[in-house]
Amino acid sequence: DIVMTQSPGSLAVSLGERATINCKSSQSVLNSSNNKNFLAWYQQKPGQPPKLLFYWASTRESGVPDRFTGSGSGTDFTLTISSLQAEDVAVYYCQQYYSAPRTFGQGTKLEIK
Amino acid sequence: EVQLVESGGGLVQPGGSLRLSCAASGFTFRNYWMHWVRQAPGKGLVWVSIINIDGSSTAYADSVKGRFTISRDNAKNTLFLQMTSLRAEDTAVYYCASLASPGHNFDLWGQGTLVTVSS
Repeated sequence: DIVMTQSPGSLAVSLGERATINCKSSQSVLNSSNNKNFLAWYQQKPGQPPKLLFYWASTRESGVPDRFTGSGSGTDFTLTISSLQAEDVAVYYCQQYYSAPRTFGQGTKLEIK
Repeated sequence: EVQLVESGGGLVQPGGSLRLSCAASGFTFRNYWMHWVRQAPGKGLVWVSIINIDGSSTAYADSVKGRFTISRDNAKNTLFLQMTSLRAEDTAVYYCASLASPGHNFDLWGQGTLVTVSS
């Protein structure tokens, strides 16, 4: 199984400041046939199901604000929020869909400092 | 409206059984592989099971293999999860979902249904 490791486990950032969440996979999730990384980022707010933010590591889902950016390739990925807003408080998960079983990172809890 | 609605959760004793359902609407259910994902209270997301578009192929997490069975009824746009030999560690919110995949980015989750295994 591909192990997904996120860091940090929790993060406190001031409003308007940058937040950076890292995700590392135990093996590459880059598909050589189409040069796409099979990695997704999700945002989960309390009492709600997860919401897709990015697929293919860096393709923003429709409706996701452009202050969110997904980047990285191979085994190392980053979710960046350029200017933190109050509504961004949530737990963020990465997930690989390169191979079965699907695996999620353990989550990063983002709070306001 | 495009949605997934789970039902069937509740309190069950250890060793008991429960059948979860997930009703799909607003999209062509039969075109998508479907998943169950669970989340224990205060914990992270854990993938449980997957089924292909016609139900002929399934897969399970090791933790539920041999105890859980995923199935679907495309005529009724419904996904199921039959859970047997339930354990305390199966306590979680169970989500049905169509997850972003290599072939598409259609990602839709239900609101989840809580399963509590306790005596």
